[in-house]
Amino acid sequence: AQSVTQLGSHVSVSEGALVLLRCNYSSSVPPYLFWYVQYPNQGLQLLLKYTSAATLVKGINGFEAEFKKSETSFHLTKPSAHMSDAAEYFCAVSDSGGGADGLTFGKGTHLIIQP
Amino acid sequence: DGGITQSPKYLFRKEGQNVTLSCEQNLNHDAMYWYRQDPGQGLRLIYYSQIVNDFQKGDIAEGYSVSREKKESFPLTVTSAQKNPTAFYLCASSIWRGANQPQHFGDGTRLSIL
Repeated sequence: AQSVTQLGSHVSVSEGALVLLRCNYSSSVPPYLFWYVQYPNQGLQLLLKYTSAATLVKGINGFEAEFKKSETSFHLTKPSAHMSDAAEYFCAVSDSGGGADGLTFGKGTHLIIQP
Repeated sequence: DGGITQSPKYLFRKEGQNVTLSCEQNLNHDAMYWYRQDPGQGLRLIYYSQIVNDFQKGDIAEGYSVSREKKESFPLTVTSAQKNPTAFYLCASSIWRGANQPQHFGDGTRLSIL
């Protein structure tokens, strides 16, 4: 069985500061990993995905994430936060063995940007 | 533009009533999914379908039913057996049910009890 843990249900940073959202996964086979962003009353939008081609993945809106197998982590970062980054962020894992039924999501992290 | 359309955006259910949430996609995707989102709970899979006329239960299928008569459409019925239906429902699709394919999401339907 696979699972995702997102540390911190709420993260607050100042505008212009580094954004770090943590995601740890558990999977019995090499995983595929995804970060999604959700704005209020909207669906999820894909930020980036890891599919084993490169451990450092760049996504949209200046976000990137690094896959660290030894730490079973896939943390999301952005060098400089912008007010428009305020949203809910979800990490998700898919079983590369093909047995997954959809994606397994973390519980989400609400990112708050302080002016 | 291609995408996923969910309707209605807001829906209210009376006691003992079945309600149906619509999901239509024009992305030519094979796989479609329904998730339920509750505050602080992330997304939980209700049902998914890989091909027309076939679908599988997810983690929380009890009290829900689906059909997949057309590739483009995957409606979800919330039955009276679902005792706690108030939630945000999200439909998604992917090019095929391959593990490395991202899912594309609609804008959701918010269901509340009257």
